[in-house]
Amino acid sequence: AQTVTQSQPEMSVQEAETVTLSCTYDTSESDYYLFWYKQPPSRQMILVIRQEAYKQQNATENRFSVNFQKAAKSFSLKISDSQLGDAAMYFCAYRSAGTASKLTFGTGTRLQVTL
Amino acid sequence: ETGVTQTPRHLVMGMTNKKSLKCEQHLGHNAMYWYKQSAKKPLELMFVYNFKEQTENNSVPSRFSPECPNSSHLFLHLHTLQPEDSALYLCASSQAGRGATDTQYFGPGTRLTVL
Repeated sequence: AQTVTQSQPEMSVQEAETVTLSCTYDTSESDYYLFWYKQPPSRQMILVIRQEAYKQQNATENRFSVNFQKAAKSFSLKISDSQLGDAAMYFCAYRSAGTASKLTFGTGTRLQVTL
Repeated sequence: ETGVTQTPRHLVMGMTNKKSLKCEQHLGHNAMYWYKQSAKKPLELMFVYNFKEQTENNSVPSRFSPECPNSSHLFLHLHTLQPEDSALYLCASSQAGRGATDTQYFGPGTRLTVL
C-alpha cells in the first residue's frame, strides 16, 4: 500500500518570502501521479499543482512549483512571493495510474503567512 | 466553487436518525468519490463510482450507504451513526479513462455532527 508523509505539521512564512513544504511517499509502482491540494478555512479542497511521475520536468503553476525527486520519492512544494491568501492546510496526495483510483493523502501542513 | 456542490453544508443528527448527503458535479465527469476527513487523521477514501458503478468500497461500515443514480449525482445515506462518525465528508469528481487527466475536484464538504 502507498503511504504519504508530511513531516511538517505547521510552517510559517512572511509575506513576499518563499517557503517549501515537504512530502515523501512510499510506493512500489513506477507510474503514478502526485498532487498538492490546498484547504483554506472555508474547507474547499483546491488543486494547487499536479505532477506525472513519468515526466522529469518539475511542474509549475505561477508562484507554485514542485521539486520532484522520483528516486528519493520526494515531492516538495515551493511557494514564491507568499501572499496572505496562501494561508491554509496543504495536503500532498498520491494516486496510482489506474482509472478512477483513490487519492492517498498525507496528514497536511498548516501554513501561516505573516505580515 | 460551483463545479462540485454539496448539500447540506452542516448537519447535526442523533444516532437514531436517517439522513442523506447530496453531491452534484457540473463538470461533465464520469467518476465520483466520497472521502471522510476526521480531525488529526488523513483524508480517507470511502467509495468510488465510475460510470455509476461502485468500483471501490474502502471497508466502510454498512451504516453508510452510497447511491449514484447518474454520473452527475452522488448520495451518502446515513443511518444509526455513531458519535465517532462526526467528520467532514467531502465529495469529489474526475474525468476517468484513457487520455483523461483523472484529476479529482472537490466539493466544499458537509460538516456532520452525530450526537
